[in-house]
Amino acid sequence: AQSVTQPDIHITVSEGASLELRCNYSYGATPYLFWYVQSPGQGLQLLLKYFSGDTLVQGIKGFEAEFKRSQSSFNLRKPSVHWSDAAEYFCAVGEQSNDYKLSFGAGTTVTVRA
Amino acid sequence: DAGITQSPRHKVTETGTPVTLRCHQTENHRYMYWYRQDPGHGLRLIHYSYGVKDTDKGEVSDGYSVSRSKTEDFLLTLESATSSQTSVYFCAISESMASSYNEQFFGPGTRLTVL
Repeated sequence: AQSVTQPDIHITVSEGASLELRCNYSYGATPYLFWYVQSPGQGLQLLLKYFSGDTLVQGIKGFEAEFKRSQSSFNLRKPSVHWSDAAEYFCAVGEQSNDYKLSFGAGTTVTVRA
Repeated sequence: DAGITQSPRHKVTETGTPVTLRCHQTENHRYMYWYRQDPGHGLRLIHYSYGVKDTDKGEVSDGYSVSRSKTEDFLLTLESATSSQTSVYFCAISESMASSYNEQFFGPGTRLTVL
């Protein structure tokens, strides 16, 4: 079974600074990888996804993520953070099977300071 | 946004009472999921459905049951609520087409408090 680790529980970043959130997965085959964002009191919104092909994927809100097979990682980045990026971010991995399940990491909370 | 609604959005109940949460979708997606979200655990899958009357257990299914009598509705029941089931519950949906590759769309969540 696949699993996801997000090593950072909480990150604080200054507005305008760059942001990188780490995600490591455990899965034998090529995974389907996702990043979701959850604003306070809201549901989860998909930021971006990786299925195959180009290992650098672009998402919404100026986010990007890079799939590195050798490191089993799918880190999320944003070059310049806005105050509205304060939220909780979840990495998820899906299996290449027929039940379309996802496994989620524990999440990273991002605080943006002025 | 995907058409997913959850009801109720907030509920406070007492230990030992039955509780049913409803998820309704207007997307005609085949797959539906129930998750619970707890601090430090992310989202954990409770049950999921891959069609009408077709359901299966997730990783934290004990104490929960589900039913899906129509494509658009997926019900989660706590037969006898316990304080450990205090959580935020999310419903999600997914297409069955290969091109979707497990992408899931989430509802707004239900905050359940069991006293």
